[in-house]
Formats: sequence, C-alpha cells, structure tokens
Amino acid sequence: KQEVTQIPAALSVPEGENLVLNCSFTDSAIYNLQWFRQDPGKGLTSLLLIQSSQREQTSGRLNASLDKSSGRSTLYIAASQPGDSATYLCAVVSGTYKYIFGTGTRLKVLA
Amino acid sequence: DVKVTQSSRYLVKRTGEKVFLECVQDMDHENMFWYRQDPGLGLRLIYFSYDVKMKEKGDIPEGYSVSREKKERFSLILESASTNQTSMYLCASWGMGVGANVLTFGAGSRLTVL
Repeated sequence: KQEVTQIPAALSVPEGENLVLNCSFTDSAIYNLQWFRQDPGKGLTSLLLIQSSQREQTSGRLNASLDKSSGRSTLYIAASQPGDSATYLCAVVSGTYKYIFGTGTRLKVLA
Repeated sequence: DVKVTQSSRYLVKRTGEKVFLECVQDMDHENMFWYRQDPGLGLRLIYFSYDVKMKEKGDIPEGYSVSREKKERFSLILESASTNQTSMYLCASWGMGVGANVLTFGAGSRLTVL
C-alpha cells in the first residue's frame, strides 16, 4: 500500500532563505507526483506536476525534483517571502484515479 | 480561467438533515472527486466518478452518496448528517482536457453539523 510522508511537519525560516521541503513515498510505481499549496481554510492550489518520466519541473522560484528509484521528491523554494507561508502537500498517483496525499509541511516565513 | 466551483463555502446544518454539496468544473474533465480534510488525518477520498453516472467508493464512503448526471457536475449527499461529518469538503477534477493531468481543487466547503 502506497504511503506518502512529508518531513518536517512544520518549518519556520527567515525571509530570503532558500529552503527544501521533502516528500517520500513507499512504492516507486507512480504515474506522476504533484505539489500543492494550501492557505488556511482554502482549497489546494496546484504548484507543479512531475510526470513519472521527468526528473524535475520549475515554475518561477519553485523547483520540484523526482527520484522514483529512491521514492523521493523535493520542492525547492528560492528566496522565500512571507507570502510563501502556507501548508505544502505532495500527492502521488499510483494506479488509476488514486491520488495519495502526504499530511503536509506547514511553512512560516518570517519577515 | 479554468476552475472548479463549490457552491457553498460555509454551511451549518442540524443532525439528521439531508445535505447537498455541489461541485461544477469547466475543464471538460472526465474524473471528479470528493475528499474530506480533517486536522491530523489529511485528505481522505470519499467517492470519485470517472464518467457520467459512474461512481466508485473511496476510502471513507459510509454515510455519503454521490450523483453525477452531467459531466461538469458532481454532487455529494449526506443522507442524514451527523456531528462526525463536520469537516472541510474538497471537490477536485482531473482529465485530459484543459490542464491535462493536473488535479484541480475547488475552494472547499466547510460544513458544521450541530
């Protein structure tokens, strides 16, 4: 059974710092991996989608990498800003329609 | 701007009431999902639908039913609401149309059952 883990559960950093969020999964047979952002009381916003054949995706200050063989993905945020404060979730797709979510990393960027 | 729209952001209902949560997507996606999100438990799949009138149970279908009469609309029904169904409900869609392969969520519906 696929399990997705995100460590750390919470993180506080000063503004301007580069940071890495981690996502690990137990079954390497995935179709794709998606990173989301969730603000308090809101829905999830898609940040990056990495297909199983890809190694990384970039959008602005965000870069996500995928290493299927080791069951890991990282989300790199460059030059963090207070507006980046949110919960970040990763989800893997294993099998048709089955998105398995991690429990998220709650990020706080201090001004 | 493509989107998933949930009709109610906040609802307060009484125990035993029938509750309808509506979700509409404009991306021509085949697949639609209902999740609930609770602190410490993460997102849990209630039901999903891969086509009109088709549905599959997720991980926690008990106490819920769904309806998909049109491709763009997926409804979650609580036949007799209970206090343990107080939660944030999230609708999502996924498909090969606009935003292919990207799971797209609505803003969420916060349900409180008294």
